[in-house]
Amino acid sequence: DTEVTQTPKHLVMGMTNKKSLKCEQHMGHRAMYWYKQKAKKPPELMFVYSYEKLSINESVPSRFSPECPNSSLLNLHLHALQPEDSALYLCASSLPRLAGGLLSYNEQFFGPGTRLTVL
Amino acid sequence: DQQVKQNSPSLSVQEGRISILNCDYTNSMFDYFLWYKKYPAEGPTFLISISSIKDKNEDGRFTVFLNKSAKHLSLHIVPSQPGDSAVYFCAASEVGNNDMRFGAGTRLTVKP
Repeated sequence: DTEVTQTPKHLVMGMTNKKSLKCEQHMGHRAMYWYKQKAKKPPELMFVYSYEKLSINESVPSRFSPECPNSSLLNLHLHALQPEDSALYLCASSLPRLAGGLLSYNEQFFGPGTRLTVL
Repeated sequence: DQQVKQNSPSLSVQEGRISILNCDYTNSMFDYFLWYKKYPAEGPTFLISISSIKDKNEDGRFTVFLNKSAKHLSLHIVPSQPGDSAVYFCAASEVGNNDMRFGAGTRLTVKP
């Protein structure tokens, strides 16, 4: 299994709804990422989990709540979103590498994304 | 702070010719550079990477060149094919850091 899967593919939600995005990989990768991508813009990093611990939170609003239940799964819980949160949400995963004695990560493998629309 | 820059938003090339996509970076701590290809409504697909200890990496039709002194890298595609038409993102990561910074992307169109 050499892919990252994301569900659902599309999601439409109201501003008062609670929903979750799911991401799964079975490649033994120990880092998993959430990105947000708006049209014609590069992916913007939201969260990074390294060995199931949150290592980077790029000042994302609390209405986005990540969860990493185990090394293969990554969730993004959504609550009280705004219309400007509508975007493509991408999950990625990567293997660790050692460079100069420091832990870094190899290329990230991306899922197909969840297209989120907030009404 | 845009640490990775792709100054050409678009590039159009004739089929069979060479496509050259450019990328500049400002962070001298970046040690690993990657190119991703993205089709509409899909996630980015990893294409090729290069470590800062090298200045060239080749994989089939794709070659990435790194000029550390100029903080510049480029992706060469030769020969270009219509199926190569996509948005290409340059990305970079720093040793000891599991973050990755993307450029704004260059839309490549290969005309038959």
